[in-house]
Amino acid sequence: DAGITQSPRHKVTETGTPVTLRCHQTENHRYMYWYRQDPGHGLRLIHYSYGVKDTDKGEVSDGYSVSRSKTEDFLLTLESATSSQTSVYFCAISESMGSGVDEQFFGPGTRLTVL
Amino acid sequence: TQLLEQSPQFLSIQEGENLTVYCNSSSVFSSLQWYRQEPGEGPVLLVTVVTGGEVKKLKRLTFQFGDARKDSSLHITAAQPGDTGLYLCAGGPNDYKLSFGAGTTVTVRA
Repeated sequence: DAGITQSPRHKVTETGTPVTLRCHQTENHRYMYWYRQDPGHGLRLIHYSYGVKDTDKGEVSDGYSVSRSKTEDFLLTLESATSSQTSVYFCAISESMGSGVDEQFFGPGTRLTVL
Repeated sequence: TQLLEQSPQFLSIQEGENLTVYCNSSSVFSSLQWYRQEPGEGPVLLVTVVTGGEVKKLKRLTFQFGDARKDSSLHITAAQPGDTGLYLCAGGPNDYKLSFGAGTTVTVRA
């Protein structure tokens, strides 16, 4: 199994509070991703990183920010949590294999509930 | 709107039966992957297909990539309860990003 951990695994918070989720990898992979998973929507990309301090937006980035100061850590921050951000959040990593192939390995997920 | 459409959304079958899950798109992908996800866990990569018309077998699972690289199918022969899970297809990469389908929930009854 790829060495990916997420913390916390579960969190309940109130609307308007800031929340930070952490993803840590031991694989030294270049690319890291944050997704959210909601029923009927599959996995939707929030933000991704293609190197230290290099990040870009995904399809559902509004209300989220990220930071990557070290290869192994990718942080997702909800500056002011809203109930619509209640979801399961997954971190993923990959190392580009070239030839148009990108296999991603996922962490165990964080279940976030915003009341 | 999902870039990749999976069908059916739900599938419930008896142990020993066969099943097929489809993944379709109007876009061409350089590669397509299938993942399986069990409750409370992250998706786990099953296979990657990269060549149009390619067929890969993983024990009782057969994966096919369409000739035009726009669609794929997953066929399970003699399904077992351990095959129960959410099956996701993902196409890409496009600027290092994958596009995921909404998934097919498969339940195999003993």
